[in-house]
Amino acid sequence: NAGVTQTPKFRVLKTGQSMTLLCAQDMNHEYMYWYRQDPGMGLRLIHYSVGEGTTAKGEVPDGYNVSRLKKQNFLLGLESAAPSQTSVYFCASSYSGPGGTEAFFGQGTRLTVV
Amino acid sequence: AQKVTQAQTEISVVEKEDVTLDCVYETRDTTYYLFWYKQPPSGELVFLIRRNSFDEQNEISGRYSWNFQKSTSSFNFTITASQVVDSAVYFCALIRSYNTDKLIFGTGTRLQVFP
Repeated sequence: NAGVTQTPKFRVLKTGQSMTLLCAQDMNHEYMYWYRQDPGMGLRLIHYSVGEGTTAKGEVPDGYNVSRLKKQNFLLGLESAAPSQTSVYFCASSYSGPGGTEAFFGQGTRLTVV
Repeated sequence: AQKVTQAQTEISVVEKEDVTLDCVYETRDTTYYLFWYKQPPSGELVFLIRRNSFDEQNEISGRYSWNFQKSTSSFNFTITASQVVDSAVYFCALIRSYNTDKLIFGTGTRLQVFP
């Protein structure tokens, strides 16, 4: 089983460029999440989705947009990248509501904005 | 507000030592779940344990054990006879059970086990 797959694994962007990170899960999970991990700050939730066609803001949503057109995919977009968005991004999915089951994480995407 | 505090930023031990990673949480909810995740040097996040607020029984899994105490709002993680492969960053996390809200992570504790 692939679990949660993130594409790409590494990316370098110039300030102002745009890009989309793709998260795909094959576990038929309803809930999907995008986190960013920065040194000394743990993981912070950017956006999340509780089902196909739904999205909601997390702790640090500014500068990001998301879409969940298909249940298995959750896209994270950066419209105009900034150096402050240099981070490691993790996607996660879970079967039921929060606490119902554990979240499964992707391998992470290391993004550098120069 | 909910919060998870992992006061230990980094811990270094020698192989075979026991080590405890502290996790203190804050929540006003009576129903919630607590988690521990491991992030090895390879970067992925590995689920270790989930515990609900109504189950205060300690749990042991091999060399790992968890001590959940609601009275002190703590969910500590102990590794017995540590090994080099235990070297990783460990995250404690909290979520409310009835809300479609976020899984809140602590800032993590980096454990280094030296041979």
